[in-house]
Amino acid sequence: QVELQESSPGLVKPSQTLSLTCTVSGGALSTGGYYWNWIRQHPGKGLEWIGYIYYSGSTYYNPSLKSRVTISVDTSKNQFSLKLTSLTAADTAVYYCAVGDPGDYYYAMDVWGQGTTVTVSS
Amino acid sequence: ETVMTQSPATLSVSPGERATLSCRASQIGSNNLAWYQAKPGQAPRLLIYGASTRANGVPARFSGSGSGTEFTLTISSLQSEDFAIYYCQQYINWPPMYTFGQGTKLDI
Repeated sequence: QVELQESSPGLVKPSQTLSLTCTVSGGALSTGGYYWNWIRQHPGKGLEWIGYIYYSGSTYYNPSLKSRVTISVDTSKNQFSLKLTSLTAADTAVYYCAVGDPGDYYYAMDVWGQGTTVTVSS
Repeated sequence: ETVMTQSPATLSVSPGERATLSCRASQIGSNNLAWYQAKPGQAPRLLIYGASTRANGVPARFSGSGSGTEFTLTISSLQSEDFAIYYCQQYINWPPMYTFGQGTKLDI
């Protein structure tokens, strides 16, 4: 069973760039057929999809965040990463990584990391 | 861009009762529709995928139905551990993206 673990940047300052890493264990990220996602949840709010990367490196982003987001993959470390630039307080949220299965699970995300809280504040 | 609208925003029910949660898509998509359960301090849990298939380990009291633009999650007999927020999610093939509904909170 695949397990995911996000890194913990904690507090970041406005205008800076957020860097998060999701470490994949129990399976190879390079195995084809899965979508490696980032999702966030603002305090007291719903879930927002940020984007995903395919093992080949193809990326797709939420249009509302596209100008500030980059998702990359490091198959040698079995990790994928999120960079979000020009941070504001509105980016304060719990950030999750999750794997989507377009085959057996009709693209649903059946495995999630535990989430990491990111606070943007000076 | 597809918008997923869930109703009601809050549903007040009692243990043992039946709960019916709705999710409407703004345009006809595929049946790449999933339901998740979210509790404070925990990652969301996949309940239903493909609109109607229960994920591994999900109790039979949870069922999903619907197609096109209208989808439903039904919990046949609520248990105390079912009080949570439920989100629907759809995947659209082009442009490729996921969209979540705003959630329905099940309240006692």
